[in-house]
Amino acid sequence: SQQGEEDPQALSIQEGENATMNCSYKTSINNLQWYRQNSGRGLVHLILIRSNEREKHSGRLRVTLDTSKKSSSLLITASRAADTASYFCATDRTSYDKVIFGPGTSLSVIP
Amino acid sequence: NAGVTQTPKFQVLKTGQSMTLQCAQDMNHNSMYWYRQDPGMGLRLIYYSASEGTTDKGEVPNGYNVSRLNKREFSLRLESAAPSQTSVYFCASSEQRRPNTEAFFGQGTRLTVV
Repeated sequence: SQQGEEDPQALSIQEGENATMNCSYKTSINNLQWYRQNSGRGLVHLILIRSNEREKHSGRLRVTLDTSKKSSSLLITASRAADTASYFCATDRTSYDKVIFGPGTSLSVIP
Repeated sequence: NAGVTQTPKFQVLKTGQSMTLQCAQDMNHNSMYWYRQDPGMGLRLIYYSASEGTTDKGEVPNGYNVSRLNKREFSLRLESAAPSQTSVYFCASSEQRRPNTEAFFGQGTRLTVV
């Protein structure tokens, strides 16, 4: 069973707009990570947020974590066409020593 | 620095054939993983190896075997391929068993079983 579920499944925005993706999970975690996958490529790590952190920034990326709601969000500000990709959240559960990925959000940024 | 290298990139097998997917990393990572990616399913963990000489089952291990040949190499074997194993396979590595650091992925192997 999948631990993380991203929402929405697909998102289409204009270049320059902000993109927000959400991830919900079911059980307690050590950390939550976000990855990007360009078409036909492997996954690239974007950012990791630990369970005791609430917000983290990296360049145009902002990640929040709400452990009480078991959810996280990824915000990409001032999106670019190059941000077009699939985005996955991955959780490292406290009771299950493996990293589990969600099904992903497909983001299309229209120039 | 090559990172994680997978071979082959593409493969077509007939049902019942066997093959081994190779993976090597040059980052001196302890942990290595095999995932499969299917449309709408994200990545599902097949097997992982926390350190040289150890392997453990993931979410979907049936029909697969693995070998952690040494610290660098982690292979995935399909003994008798089935159409349900048509997928894109990714190898990954990370520094720690409980990854508080990022996982690095190979470019994937696209496998079709006919």
